[in-house]
Amino acid sequence: KAGVTQTPRYLIKTRGQQVTLSCSPISGHRSVSWYQQTPGQGLQFLFEYFSETQRNKGNFPGRFSGRQFSNSRSEMNVSTLELGDSALYLCASSQTPINTKTSGFTYEQYFGPGTRLTVT
Amino acid sequence: QKEVEQDPGPLSVPEGAIVSLNCTYSNSAFQYFMWYRQYSRKGPELLMYTYSSGNKEDGRFTAQVDKSSKYISLFIRDSQPSDSATYLCAMRKKRMNAGGTSYGKLTFGQGTILTVHP
Repeated sequence: KAGVTQTPRYLIKTRGQQVTLSCSPISGHRSVSWYQQTPGQGLQFLFEYFSETQRNKGNFPGRFSGRQFSNSRSEMNVSTLELGDSALYLCASSQTPINTKTSGFTYEQYFGPGTRLTVT
Repeated sequence: QKEVEQDPGPLSVPEGAIVSLNCTYSNSAFQYFMWYRQYSRKGPELLMYTYSSGNKEDGRFTAQVDKSSKYISLFIRDSQPSDSATYLCAMRKKRMNAGGTSYGKLTFGQGTILTVHP
């Protein structure tokens, strides 16, 4: 089974520009979560999509947005880029979304290789 | 103060050593614990997960959870140079609602950089 794929792997942008990152989840996985990883803050949750709807959101400004398509593929957009947005952006997929009521069993998240974004 | 604290290291050990990686957490709602391994220029890879206090073993890896102390550990026996990576603890909060149990988003520790030298 193919893993989570992310494109592009590397990106260089200038301040003020916008960027779109793409994620294809593992086949059969319908939940996609996005994370930002920086040396200072570590891995931080951005948001999660399931069935084309944003289900959960972290503490990031509105410049960070996303969407999910009917085939579960997801895109993340960052507008008006700032130097501090330089980071590794990771996508993770799972079979069920977070906060899903279960009988005690839950599904783990599997990460893609990430997109390294550099803002100059 | 961060909800999950992890010593970033770096940690350098000789091949064959036993490695101990640790995380502490402040919120008792965290009930689902994971360890991820991240190689340079790669995404995190799930190593182990557990819900219960006590030990869980998988090959050379043992995950230990002490909920009373809010402390989790990952032990690596007979460490190899290929174990050199960043190890991240992660955990999820358990929510009990009418109709069942659910688990929230992943909260990560800072990650510990481990180098195993031959």
